[in-house]
Formats: sequence, structure tokens, C-alpha cells
Amino acid sequence: QKEVEQNSGPLSVPEGAIASLNCTYSDRVSQSFFWYRQYSGKSPELIMSIYSNGDKEDGRFTAQLNKASQYVSLLIRDSQPSDSATYLCAVNMARTGRRALTFGSGTRLQVQP
Amino acid sequence: NAGVMQNPRHLVRRRGQEARLRCSPVKGHSHVYWYRQLPEEGLKFMVYLQKENIIDESGMPKERFSAEFPKEGPSILRIQQVVRGDSAAYFCASSPEGAGETQYFGPGTRLLVL
Repeated sequence: QKEVEQNSGPLSVPEGAIASLNCTYSDRVSQSFFWYRQYSGKSPELIMSIYSNGDKEDGRFTAQLNKASQYVSLLIRDSQPSDSATYLCAVNMARTGRRALTFGSGTRLQVQP
Repeated sequence: NAGVMQNPRHLVRRRGQEARLRCSPVKGHSHVYWYRQLPEEGLKFMVYLQKENIIDESGMPKERFSAEFPKEGPSILRIQQVVRGDSAAYFCASSPEGAGETQYFGPGTRLLVL
């Protein structure tokens, strides 16, 4: 079992729709969760961090965390073609006692005009 | 307000040569991380450093790879005797003291080994 799992996609949604990206993680005591966006050939760009159960909203983005289910998701409302990218879920694995992030392999999102 | 800077952005080496990758963190950030991204794969942690100290190198290959973050100057990731399998994008990230684990990434160095 991978430590951080994501569906590789591609996830295809029409422009204006809600895109839902999901991530599960193996370490039950992980405390810090991040979503990064990566355009092809570019570096990861931080979208959002979340630390507590529930929802966290920032503009068109909402992160959802459920620690009991070891599940974190990212919703993108009113999807735009410019949102087409790979979305990386990252987790700080508390059990390792280190600050490094463990990344999923990413979900490729395609927003169709 | 400069972000994380990395150079060179692209590096071509022949097998057996040395590669030196540099990273200057965001001003005021004291934590530096190196990650490697192989083609069509996710990012893999390599090493975590603070000024003059290697805190965690559990993700770094035992041979040929080394890293440093001196008191003055950028962090350096050095790969000796490069092989084709070292071809990848190498990203540096930094975070400030006491701000949890939020990390900000540089533009990366794309290493190609011929």
C-alpha cells in the first residue's frame, strides 16, 4: 500500500463544473496535509494546507479533511481551463518524526472549454 | 520578494561527471528540503537541512549523493559520477522557522545525463 494514494486520472470536467480530487493516506497520526498544483514542466505551487477535520475554503478551492477515514480532498468550483494541471496531495508523516512531505503521484485534471 | 531560487535550471552531464545543484531559500527561511521527480512520477524526498546541519537524509541514496547548507551561501546537492538513472527534475523547497511544514518550492533543476 502506498503511503499517499491518488487516482492518476485524467479527471476530465467541463468548464464551470466542480472538480473533485481525492487522496488517502496510510499514517493514522499524520497531522499536516497539503495540496499542490503542478503544471507540466513547472514546479509545485502550494494551493492549500489543512490541519483540522472539516472544510477549509480559499476562493474557488475547498480542502476537506477526515482523519478518521484518512482521507483528504480538494474541490475546485467553477473550473477553468487554466486549472488543467496535475494536483499533488502531500502529507507530513508524523510517525517518521520528520518535516519532509510524502507526496502522492498526482491526479491530472483536464478542464474542457 | 524573491522566492526559492535554483540554478542552473537545466544541466547536461555525461555519465561519470559530477553535477552540482544550488538552492537559495526564501530570505529568512532556515529549513531546506531537496526532492527528486523522475519522469511521470511523484516527488520523492531526499534530504532535509538546516544551516550547517543535515537533519534527515533518509531519502538520499547512500552512494554518490551528498548535500550541504553552509552558514553562508546556498544549499548544494552534489551528485558524483552521474548515471543515466539520475536524469530527473530536482526541486528545492524551503520553510521558515516555527511555521509548521508548509514548504515553498523553487523552479527546479532539470538534470539530463547523456
